[in-house]
Amino acid sequence: ETGVTQSPTHLIKTRGQQVTLRCSSQSGHNTVSWYQQALGQGPQFIFQYYREEENGRGNFPPRFSGLQFPNYSSELNVNALELDDSALYLCASSPPGTFLNEQFFGPGTRLTVL
Amino acid sequence: DAKTTQPNSMESNEEEPVHLPCNHSTISGTDYIHWYRQLPSQGPEYVIHGLTSNVNNRMASLAIAEDRKSSTLILHRATLRDAAVYYCILRSHGGATNKLIFGTGTLLAVQP
Repeated sequence: ETGVTQSPTHLIKTRGQQVTLRCSSQSGHNTVSWYQQALGQGPQFIFQYYREEENGRGNFPPRFSGLQFPNYSSELNVNALELDDSALYLCASSPPGTFLNEQFFGPGTRLTVL
Repeated sequence: DAKTTQPNSMESNEEEPVHLPCNHSTISGTDYIHWYRQLPSQGPEYVIHGLTSNVNNRMASLAIAEDRKSSTLILHRATLRDAAVYYCILRSHGGATNKLIFGTGTLLAVQP
C-alpha cells in the first residue's frame, strides 16, 4: 500500500511568485488536510478537503487556496509569496469514517521564499 | 480548541521506559487525547489516543488521569528510533473538521 506522497520535495521561489504543491493521498482516503510547519514549531492547520469541497480552514489568508480532485489527490496553491511563507508544507490524508480517524502524513515539501 | 502544555524537551537512555507528560486542564468532556510524533525529516505519525481509560497499543501506552486534566504517554523501552518530537493534541467531538491543533511538543532525545 502506497502512503501519502508529496511533490516536489524542495522548492525555492522569490517574493511575489506563485507556487503549487501536490499531494497524493493514501489509497481509500477521501479527506486531505494541509499544514504549514515553520522551523521549530508544530504544524499549523491550513485547510481540509473532503470529497472535493473545502471542509474547514485555519487562520490563513485567501492567497492560500486548494483543490481536491476526483481521485482525492490535492493541490495547495499560494499566491503572492511572502518571506514568512518559507516552511515545510505537510499533507495528510484520512480514511472515511469518524472524526477520530488518524491522519497519515506525507514527508512534506520544503518551500524557501527568497 | 483546548490547549495542552508539554515540556520542551526530555532525555532518556536506550531500553529504559520514558514517561512524556501532558497537561490539559481546560479539557472538555467530549475532547479525546491524541498523541502524534514527528521523527527527524518526516511528517508526523499517529501514536495513540484515548478518552477516559488507559490505552495500550504496539507503540505505546496512554495513561489518563482520573480528572482528565493530564495524561502521560509511556514508551516502555525507548530505542534510538524513538527520538522525535511528541505532540499531545486534544480533538473535540462534534466538530465538522477533522483537524489537528499542534503545540510545540516535547523533543525526546534517546541516548545509547
